[in-house]
Amino acid sequence: QVQLVESGGGVVQPGRSLRLSCVASGFTFSPYSIYAFHWVRQAPGKGLEWVAVISYDGNQKYYADSVKGRFTLSRDSSRTTLYLQMNSLRVEDTAVYYCARGPSLYDYFDFWGQGTLVTVSS
Amino acid sequence: EVVLTQSPGTLSLSPGETATLSCRTSEIVSSSYIAWHQQRSGQAPRLVIYDASSRATGIPDRFSGSGSGTDFSLTISGLEAEDSAVYYCHFYGSSPITFGQGTRLEVK
Repeated sequence: QVQLVESGGGVVQPGRSLRLSCVASGFTFSPYSIYAFHWVRQAPGKGLEWVAVISYDGNQKYYADSVKGRFTLSRDSSRTTLYLQMNSLRVEDTAVYYCARGPSLYDYFDFWGQGTLVTVSS
Repeated sequence: EVVLTQSPGTLSLSPGETATLSCRTSEIVSSSYIAWHQQRSGQAPRLVIYDASSRATGIPDRFSGSGSGTDFSLTISGLEAEDSAVYYCHFYGSSPITFGQGTRLEVK
């Protein structure tokens, strides 16, 4: 079955960096598959906030204004691992970060990972 | 940016009753770009409805979605205790992708 497993969360001081990973498995990446992958975060006790998306080929990337210029998406050549490089972290970036799959770039999220917690604190 | 406003904030119902959750968008959107996700306490979200009215795989037919224009709704009939969760509507037609603030459904 489809699985998305996030890792890399932890406690970090404001201004520092952290890299999250999301490993996707349980489905086939064919030359015709156009899955997109998103990061969505949830601050403690709050709702869902979309962070960023990367297209199936890695050529299209879009970011929320709140993270633009600080966060960078990438994926490995096999397209099975997604990365979120987070720089200049702020206290307000504290959240559980979820990886989610979409059938295409502007599409619903059909599978979610279990999330990884990022805490930004001095 | 398309802003989603959900109502009510909290809904408390008894088993067997019907819940109707509302999601209003700040501008007219295609129904092809509205989804609903369920998030039980301590768990990751799970897709329930996509394209406004299509049930996701494994979702019982007690769940139904409808709407068009700026008004969308999620209806859950024959409520069960396991339906207790926060439900988020989700717009995915353009960037930035947005979510509503959530409706907490309590079934007891």
